[in-house]
Formats: sequence, C-alpha cells, structure tokens
Amino acid sequence: GENVEQHPSTLSVQEGDSAVIKCTYSDSASNYFPWYKQELGKRPQLIIDIRSNVGEKKDQRIAVTLNKTAKHFSLHITETQPEDSAVYFCAASGTTNAGKSTFGDGTTLTVKP
Amino acid sequence: KAGVTQTPRYLIKTRGQQVTLSCSPISGHRSVSWYQQTPGQGLQFLFEYFSETQRNKGNFPGRFSGRQFSNSRSEMNVSTLELGDSALYLCASSLAKSSGNTIYFGEGSWLTVV
Repeated sequence: GENVEQHPSTLSVQEGDSAVIKCTYSDSASNYFPWYKQELGKRPQLIIDIRSNVGEKKDQRIAVTLNKTAKHFSLHITETQPEDSAVYFCAASGTTNAGKSTFGDGTTLTVKP
Repeated sequence: KAGVTQTPRYLIKTRGQQVTLSCSPISGHRSVSWYQQTPGQGLQFLFEYFSETQRNKGNFPGRFSGRQFSNSRSEMNVSTLELGDSALYLCASSLAKSSGNTIYFGEGSWLTVV
C-alpha cells in the first residue's frame, strides 16, 4: 500500500521567515496530494492541494510543488506569522484506493514572534 | 452547508467496555472514513465506507468495526476497550466520485479509556 514520509517532524522559524515541509510517497498511482493544518484541539483543515497533472500551485503565502518523477511534494509558507503555528499533515491518495488517504506523521511548525 | 458532525465529542469508558461513535457526513457525500489520532502517531486510517460497503480497511484489530447506513451516516464501534484505544477519533467525508477527492474532517470524538 501507499506509504507517506514527512520531514521534518518539528520546525521552528522566526516570524517573517519561510518554512518548507517535504513529503515523499511510494505509490506511483497516487494522483492527489492535499495538505492539512491542525491547530491545537481542532480538526485538520485543508489548506492547499495539488493534483498530479500540475507541478506547482500557489495560494497567497502558501505554495505546493510536486515532482512526480521523484515522488515527492513540498509545502512552502512564506512570510510566516505566529498564527501559522500548527501541525501540518501531507497526504496522498489515488486510483488504487480512491477513498483512502494516507497521511504523513505531521510537522509541528512553531513561528516565533 | 453543514459540516461533518460527530457525536459524542467527549467520552470516558472503562477497560473492557465497548463504545459506539457516530458520524454524519456533509450532505451529498457518500464516502465516510475514520481515523485514529494519538500523540506521536499521526492520523491512522481505520476504514472507509462508500454506499454502505466497506471499501478500504486499515491495519487495526477486529475489535474496531464500522458500518454505514443508507443515508450515508456512519458509526464505528470498538469492543473490549483497552487503555491504548484512548485517542481522538476523526471521521471524514468526501464525494469520492473518483480518486483524489478532498476529505473533510469532523471535530472528532475524544475517547479516554480508564
């Protein structure tokens, strides 16, 4: 089955700096890669996603890149703010298991004022 | 449109008991999946139901089971509870018309086993 590895597990940056979180996946049939943000005590919420026919997607300060050949995708947050502090999860799903999303172990991002 | 609704939000059970958690998906969503979240273990996939059929299953013991009703509402049951079952149980729904559908999470049910 699909396996998703996420790095780093913790990340601390200064306010205004950029943050990058990387994920690799194993199943070449995966074609959908969402990123979720989970604040303390709350549900994971989708922040951005990318499909395999696209190499990059941007939404204001957040961007995601996908390298299908290398089977890795990354989340980029620019001009970080304290409210970006949360746990971020990457996930992968695809044609072999349409209803199943496999998640990375999460990255705890801390943005210091 | 209402989001994914889970009940109960918090519950405490004793070892050996059983528990049933309920999930109402977003209107129109036919796929419901369940995840267990524990500190340091991330989001572990339990199972997914689509049109009342279990379509995917994770690597959990048979004590964990679920079902889906004709209105897409879903329940999961854990029998013979163990201390290690203490976790946040998240339900998620999606359209699941094809692969690569966004899943939307409920607020979760916090289960404590004592």
